[in-house]
Amino acid sequence: DAKTTQPPSMDCAEGRAANLPCNHSTISGNEYVYWYRQIHSQGPQYIIHGLKNNETNEMASLIITEDRKSSTLILPHATLRDTAVYYCIVRYYNQGGKLIFGQGTELSVKP
Amino acid sequence: DAGVIQSPRHEVTEMGQEVTLRCKPISGHNSLFWYRQTMMRGLELLIYFNNNVPIDDSGMPEDRFSAKMPNASFSTLKIQPSEPRDSAVYFCASSLGLPTDTQYFGPGTRLTVL
Repeated sequence: DAKTTQPPSMDCAEGRAANLPCNHSTISGNEYVYWYRQIHSQGPQYIIHGLKNNETNEMASLIITEDRKSSTLILPHATLRDTAVYYCIVRYYNQGGKLIFGQGTELSVKP
Repeated sequence: DAGVIQSPRHEVTEMGQEVTLRCKPISGHNSLFWYRQTMMRGLELLIYFNNNVPIDDSGMPEDRFSAKMPNASFSTLKIQPSEPRDSAVYFCASSLGLPTDTQYFGPGTRLTVL
């Protein structure tokens, strides 16, 4: 079973920041937080991951709370092409490759 | 660089027929994963290989499903005999070294069993 809780859907205006929350209250010390997204009918796409510290790459920023029980994925300037289902995944470092996908958040970016 | 390549992209077959899905991982990647996506169950891992060896097949639904990786650049997922409940999108993914590395997904094969 997925160890994360995400809102089923969110809307965001084009050009604004999209902030996608994720709760993972049972996360343990060796578990990473990963984010993937899936644009309709395509394969999931890796976005970012982190353990304790906040992370940023060319796609997004990941903010992890100090107690690590929740995190937020930030798309700084959402575009229509960011419309997708976003998955937050908690992954034990030695879990043997498993990505356990939950239901994700369906983000709709509107003009 | 070419990403993960899957074929066919769409497959329609009749119940009872054998179905073979194919995957070519990214060159140099040592781990390969097969996932299945349905509306009811979402995305679920079926099996994964590391250095061509199956490591975890606990997600394979039943004996009708089998997967092979004869070499580092090719894998197959076979369903024999197929059933309507096997209708789904099947994704292949690969990662660089350890299974814990970032996984890159292919475009998927949409299977319809009539």
